[in-house]
Amino acid sequence: SAVISQKPSRDICQRGTSLTIQCQVDSQVTMMFWYRQQPGQSLTLIATANQGSEATYESGFVIDKFPISRPNLTFSTLTVSNMSPEDSSIYLCSVEYSYEQYFGPGTRLTVT
Amino acid sequence: GENVEQHPSTLSVQEGDSAVIKCTYSDSASNYFPWYKQELGKGPQLIIDIRSNVGEKKDQRIAVTLNKTAKHFSLHITETQPEDSAVYFCAASNPGNQFYFGTGTSLTVIP
Repeated sequence: SAVISQKPSRDICQRGTSLTIQCQVDSQVTMMFWYRQQPGQSLTLIATANQGSEATYESGFVIDKFPISRPNLTFSTLTVSNMSPEDSSIYLCSVEYSYEQYFGPGTRLTVT
Repeated sequence: GENVEQHPSTLSVQEGDSAVIKCTYSDSASNYFPWYKQELGKGPQLIIDIRSNVGEKKDQRIAVTLNKTAKHFSLHITETQPEDSAVYFCAASNPGNQFYFGTGTSLTVIP
């Protein structure tokens, strides 16, 4: 299996600011994913980040709002830009490893 | 695209009883079906999975069954314990493609 860590685990941010979430995995992986999970809801894919290429965003998510970096095979960042209270959610990093998908512990974001 | 439906949304069982959660999918090309357990404040944890060339898989108290013809798969938990209380998500995927998740089942095991 792959072990994933995320930083920060939680944060409270002011409206209009930005937060960068870091994701570190203990194995080299090609595909990394960023999800959003509203309280009590299922998982919504934000984007897929493959090393060496631009991230692919799902409908309803744009690069200006959620820029993603993928500098190497074990690390990625997601930035939530110009935050509003509607961005309050849990953000999850995920990787595909040996045809299985593993999740990080999540970052709980509250925007005030 | 794929559409995964999951039922029930909530489930309460007495400790020691069995729990069954069912999912259906729409895309016949899907061939990988994982189940995740998410405890409060944590990320989803892969607990068991099944591939389309297998009809059933068991790991101690949990088992998953797959009916490709009917396009549905189920999670079975036997001899439930309070620590089984969590939200469970099913998913369907074609390896290398996107994973599609169900809406989740909140399981409560009553001591």
